[in-house]
Amino acid sequence: RKEVEQDPGPFNVPEGATVAFNCTYSNSASQSFFWYRQDCRKEPKLLMSVYSSGNEDGRFTAQLNRASQYISLLIRDSKLSDSATYLCVVSRSGTYKYIFGTGTRLKVLA
Amino acid sequence: GAGVSQSPRYKVAKRGQDVALRCDPISGHVSLFWYQQALGQGPEFLTYFQNEAQLDKSGLPSDRFFAERPEGSVSTLKIQRTQQEDSAVYLCASSLGLGQGATDTQYFGPGTRLTVL
Repeated sequence: RKEVEQDPGPFNVPEGATVAFNCTYSNSASQSFFWYRQDCRKEPKLLMSVYSSGNEDGRFTAQLNRASQYISLLIRDSKLSDSATYLCVVSRSGTYKYIFGTGTRLKVLA
Repeated sequence: GAGVSQSPRYKVAKRGQDVALRCDPISGHVSLFWYQQALGQGPEFLTYFQNEAQLDKSGLPSDRFFAERPEGSVSTLKIQRTQQEDSAVYLCASSLGLGQGATDTQYFGPGTRLTVL
C-alpha cells in the first residue's frame, strides 16, 4: 500500500462546476501537508499548504483531518485553466523529503 | 528572481551509457532534493542534501545512482550503465532549509527527461 493515496481520475467537469479531490496518508508522523499542481510536461508548483484549521485561497479550499489521516481540496467555479494534475504531498516536518501521491487528473470542459 | 534550473532538459542515452544531470538550486537555499517521476506517477524521492552533506540517500534505486553537491550549491546526479527502467523525468527541488518544525516549501526545477534506448 502506498504511503499517500489519491484517486488518479481523470475527473472531467464542466466549466463552473465544483470538484473535490481526496487524499489519504498512512504515516501518522506526517506533519506538513501540501497540494501541488502539475501541468503536462511541467514541474510541480505549490498550490497551497494545508493547515489543521482548514484554509482557503480564492476558489480553492483545503482541509486536513488528522484523526482520519485525510486531506481534501475543493475547487469552486472551475476554469479551463484549472485543467492539470493535482498532487497531494505529505512530509514529516521541516526539511524532510516530500512523499507524493500519484496525482489526480482534472480536465475542465468548455 | 531565478528559480531552480536543470540541464540538460532532455537526454537520450543508449543502454549502458553513463549520464550526468545537473541542478542549480535557488541561490541561498540550503536543502536540495532529487526526485524521479515515471510516466503517470507522482515524483519519488531519491536523495537529499543539506549544504554539501548528503543526509539521506535511501531512495536511490541502485548503486548505479550517485549524487553529489561538493560546494553546497550545484548538484549532479549521475547514473552509470543506464538501463531502460531508468527512463523517467528527474526533478530537482530546493528549499530554504528552515529546520525542524517549520513548513519548508520545496521549489522544483523543470526536470530532465531521460530516455534510455
